[in-house]
Amino acid sequence: NAGVTQTPKFQVLKTGQSMTLQCAQDMNHNSMYWYRQDPGMGLRLIYYSASEGTTDKGEVPNGYNVSRLNKREFSLRLESAAPSQTSVYFCASRFVGTAGELFFGEGSRLTVL
Amino acid sequence: KNEVEQSPQNLTAQEGEFITINCSYSVGISALHWLQQHPGGGIVSLFMLSSGKKKHGRLIATINIQEKHSSLHITASHPRDSAVYICAVALLNYGGSQGNLIFGKGTKLSVKP
Repeated sequence: NAGVTQTPKFQVLKTGQSMTLQCAQDMNHNSMYWYRQDPGMGLRLIYYSASEGTTDKGEVPNGYNVSRLNKREFSLRLESAAPSQTSVYFCASRFVGTAGELFFGEGSRLTVL
Repeated sequence: KNEVEQSPQNLTAQEGEFITINCSYSVGISALHWLQQHPGGGIVSLFMLSSGKKKHGRLIATINIQEKHSSLHITASHPRDSAVYICAVALLNYGGSQGNLIFGKGTKLSVKP
């Protein structure tokens, strides 16, 4: 099915370990986003990519890096995981233009012990 | 002051009731999105609006651009409508650490049988 594919769905890490969350969309969207969702905090923007080849920091970028590998893929890397990064992560994409419906991946539940 | 305000924060209704969730915003937008998130679930786009009104099944969304206000209505509510409903506005331009989307904090709806 067309949409946003996000992996893995669940991950448990130990403090200090690294991992990469993968996100891919097949809708030819130019903009892609990584959010984290914590109880009572709503969705907070970590990084976004307005177009292929560009990335920008969001509200909570510390401890994360991103790569916009191509137009389809936008990955989020935790270089040295910390318990404060325990959260649910969502990738999203949209076409910034006249038909910019917003699509989300299914989410990745990350626990850092 | 939050740029996107939703009300109410929590809403409990009896099955069959007509429900209204409101969203007010204070910035210039290109579109407004209504999203749905079931407990423990992913985020699904319900509507994207730039003017007027849209209807999908029992859900109706309206927007008044001049008043900077949108409403989401659910007719003949059902327990399966129990979810968090999130309003998000797409900015006319990228807004620094916000990217180009600002989210409301969500309205938690519980529909009792």
